[in-house]
Amino acid sequence: GAVVSQHPSRVICKSGTSVKIECRSLDFQATTMFWYRQFPKKSLMLMATSNEGSKATYEQGVEKDKFLINHASLTLSTLTVTSAHPEDSSFYICSARDFRLADSGELFFGEGSRLTVL
Amino acid sequence: ELKVEQNPLFLSMQEGKNYTIYCNYSTTSDRLYWYRQDPGKSLESLFVLLSNGAVKQEGRLMASLDTKARLSTLHITAAVHDLSATYFCAGTMDSNYQLIWGAGTKLIIKP
Repeated sequence: GAVVSQHPSRVICKSGTSVKIECRSLDFQATTMFWYRQFPKKSLMLMATSNEGSKATYEQGVEKDKFLINHASLTLSTLTVTSAHPEDSSFYICSARDFRLADSGELFFGEGSRLTVL
Repeated sequence: ELKVEQNPLFLSMQEGKNYTIYCNYSTTSDRLYWYRQDPGKSLESLFVLLSNGAVKQEGRLMASLDTKARLSTLHITAAVHDLSATYFCAGTMDSNYQLIWGAGTKLIIKP
């Protein structure tokens, strides 16, 4: 299947700092990428849909100014957690669709980024 | 609004046994997906079911879709320890294919 790479896999930061997470589609172009957040032992919560060349679409309850999303190219989307606080600690996962498999709608996931805010 | 319910949420079973995870959804879903997640890891796509009656098999796992019953099943045959993981099903009902996720089924297979 298509490969999505996410970096960093783990990050520990101090409260008040900002953290950037990158999501890359390695062997395909992704006009749309999705950012999820997962709490321990819970299902995935969609945070936002990242659209190449335009503003991201955020889900209800997700702060746009807190979680900045930039999808500057067809292979890269970034999520920046600004002024991070301990409650932002979580597992963040990006995903993308390979447009060549458009009919299936199958999502391919990055490896995930575990953020710990001290 | 599409809602997806999985059961059981937790399953502990012995190696060699068969079992089924159920995924019910509340309204029409164009597609049904099954994913696997190992502890501390991301999600791996297992199956994409596109139409009523679809059945797909990979090794000891077999997934099926009954759109009339709004039900998908993930059947495990002669379970082995390596299949221990959390399994998620997800449906979608819009052209953007935004996935609606089930709560996940944590499967533990004991030697």
